[in-house]
Amino acid sequence: DTEVTQTPKHLVMGMTNKKSLKCEQHMGHRAMYWYKQKAKKPPELMFVYSYEKLSINESVPSRFSPECPNSSLLNLHLHALQPEDSALYLCASSQDGAGSTTDTQYFGPGTRLTVL
Amino acid sequence: DQQVKQNSPSLSVQEGRISILNCDYTNSMFDYFLWYKKYPAEGPTFLISISSIKDKNEDGRFTVFLNKSAKHLSLHIVPSQPGDSAVYFCAASASGGTSYGKLTFGQGTILTVHP
Repeated sequence: DTEVTQTPKHLVMGMTNKKSLKCEQHMGHRAMYWYKQKAKKPPELMFVYSYEKLSINESVPSRFSPECPNSSLLNLHLHALQPEDSALYLCASSQDGAGSTTDTQYFGPGTRLTVL
Repeated sequence: DQQVKQNSPSLSVQEGRISILNCDYTNSMFDYFLWYKKYPAEGPTFLISISSIKDKNEDGRFTVFLNKSAKHLSLHIVPSQPGDSAVYFCAASASGGTSYGKLTFGQGTILTVHP
């Protein structure tokens, strides 16, 4: 089983709203990731959590705030977003993210976010 | 600086024939390479991977070839099926240094398989 689940599937929010995206995996993976994907572009890495600690932040604006409550869950808290933040937000997980050569990332279906 | 490049934005193939998708990379630290398939508005689906210690990996209809000296890899799909029509992303990672956990993606190739 290589399933990563994400909720909600679609989200529409105003620029003053606060919302959260959720991601869950039960594969025993210890690394989890947030990516942003715009239309016709490849996914762009935002954050990496390894063993529940933030290991990579790709200079993401503070209006995006990640949280890893436990090894199975990953949240992305959103506040004061801009219309240009509208995109497909993807979560992924991998075995350890600690540098093993064959660490494969498995992606969830994504949350389609629209900021009005 | 695009470290992973897929120079063909699109590829059209007849059903039953071979599809060959190409990918070039510039970073010699990359030691693990993956191919993902993506349908619109869905997450990428992992297809097949290869580590730098190998030059070929096969899984059913999918074969990935790695030429380290040329910094080139290719994905062969044979026989191609209409359900293979999707965007294919090549991705690479480096196991050492501060880059672990980072996947670098190519721009993607749209494969269309005609019945």
